[in-house]
Amino acid sequence: DGGITQSPKYLFRKEGQNVTLSCEQNLNHDAMYWYRQDPGQGLRLIYYSQIVNDFQKGDIAEGYSVSREKKESFPLTVTSAQKNPTAFYLCASEGQGREQYFGPGTRLTVT
Amino acid sequence: SQELEQSPQSLIVQEGKNLTINCTSSKTLYGLYWYKQKYGEGLIFLMMLQKGGEEKSHEKITAKLDEKKQQSSLHITASQPSHAGIYLCGADINTGFQKLVFGTGTRLLVSP
Repeated sequence: DGGITQSPKYLFRKEGQNVTLSCEQNLNHDAMYWYRQDPGQGLRLIYYSQIVNDFQKGDIAEGYSVSREKKESFPLTVTSAQKNPTAFYLCASEGQGREQYFGPGTRLTVT
Repeated sequence: SQELEQSPQSLIVQEGKNLTINCTSSKTLYGLYWYKQKYGEGLIFLMMLQKGGEEKSHEKITAKLDEKKQQSSLHITASQPSHAGIYLCGADINTGFQKLVFGTGTRLLVSP
């Protein structure tokens, strides 16, 4: 089955620790995206990548880092510099018509 | 300010009733995308509209993009409990920056 997977579904970390969220797609899409979703704020773009070995900051990149070493994979690291890391994180890849296909999300809780 | 405004923010309808959700922008919508989200899950792509006046349907859901390409509506006919969830619109407003902007969503509850 083609699609996007994110793991884990739930993640708990203590403040001050970095954590990496996984995103994998087998849709053969070039562009991939990371969003953060908070209640009442909709989706906010963290980082995006149009092609392997290239990525760009989105609207709220501070405290986050990404890599794109393979077409299928776009992991997101939430660093200790992110002031409010507790959120629902969504990864997406982009089809030919610019429609985006989303993974199931990872809920990160930092205490 | 929000680049895409969705209305209403929430909606409760009785099963079997029709409903409409709107998505409005002050900028031209070069592509408009409707998604559905169940709480705590990812977004499911429903439909894409790109041409002014375009209308698409899938099962009991119809989406339209107005001629001016600044407003889209999502209409559900004879709502069912399975239609419950959060509906979000996303749009390409040609910022020169490869990204979509998203509305804050409309929460739909369908009561029996």
